[in-house]
Amino acid sequence: EPEVTQTPSHQVTQMGQEVILRCVPISNHLYFYWYRQILGQKVEFLVSFYNNEISEKSEIFDDQFSVERPDGSNFTLKIRSTKLEDSAMYFCASSLDSLNTEAFFGQGTRLTVV
Amino acid sequence: AQSVTQLGSHVSVSEGALVLLRCNYSSSVPPYLFWYVQYPNQGLQLLLKYTTGATLVKGINGFEAEFKKSETSFHLTKPSAHMSDAAEYFCAVSDTGGFKTIFGAGTRLFVKA
Repeated sequence: EPEVTQTPSHQVTQMGQEVILRCVPISNHLYFYWYRQILGQKVEFLVSFYNNEISEKSEIFDDQFSVERPDGSNFTLKIRSTKLEDSAMYFCASSLDSLNTEAFFGQGTRLTVV
Repeated sequence: AQSVTQLGSHVSVSEGALVLLRCNYSSSVPPYLFWYVQYPNQGLQLLLKYTTGATLVKGINGFEAEFKKSETSFHLTKPSAHMSDAAEYFCAVSDTGGFKTIFGAGTRLFVKA
């Protein structure tokens, strides 16, 4: 069964460092997403991406964040200068169509900023 | 704008008892509704979804949910709880305008032996 894969599963980084979280969406999907879940809190939408551009972003997704689909298979989330409050589980998701009848989620990357 | 409210951050049931997790939504358009389960230190797994058609939706692991438009609800039920059902459950609504899924705060289900 096709699935969304995320690497690494856990990343520890020092405050102020850049970090890149990687995702491989399901191959025929066209819409890609990043969500964040701070420990013990709800899952929050960060950004959606279609046709090589951002479709929508939340207020969380500030200038420190960027997304890219560098090679037609990977979908990355970059945090330029990490802060302690960026520590969270980051989920990548993809869906086939814009109706979002089902977004398939990856297993997540746990980011710990120290 | 769509929103989701899950009633009860924690629910505790005995093994074999009925599971009922409540979810109410707000949407200006016909919604797509989802329930996801998250086991400790794992990702999100889709339990079931409602898009159109039959309002009673059956999912994996014996769970089902009923879409009630008049009550703007999408409660999740399971007739008989199992220890393995202990997890966090998230109700979610899809923004049918395109681009995001909006999650509720989650309900942690505890199952007592």
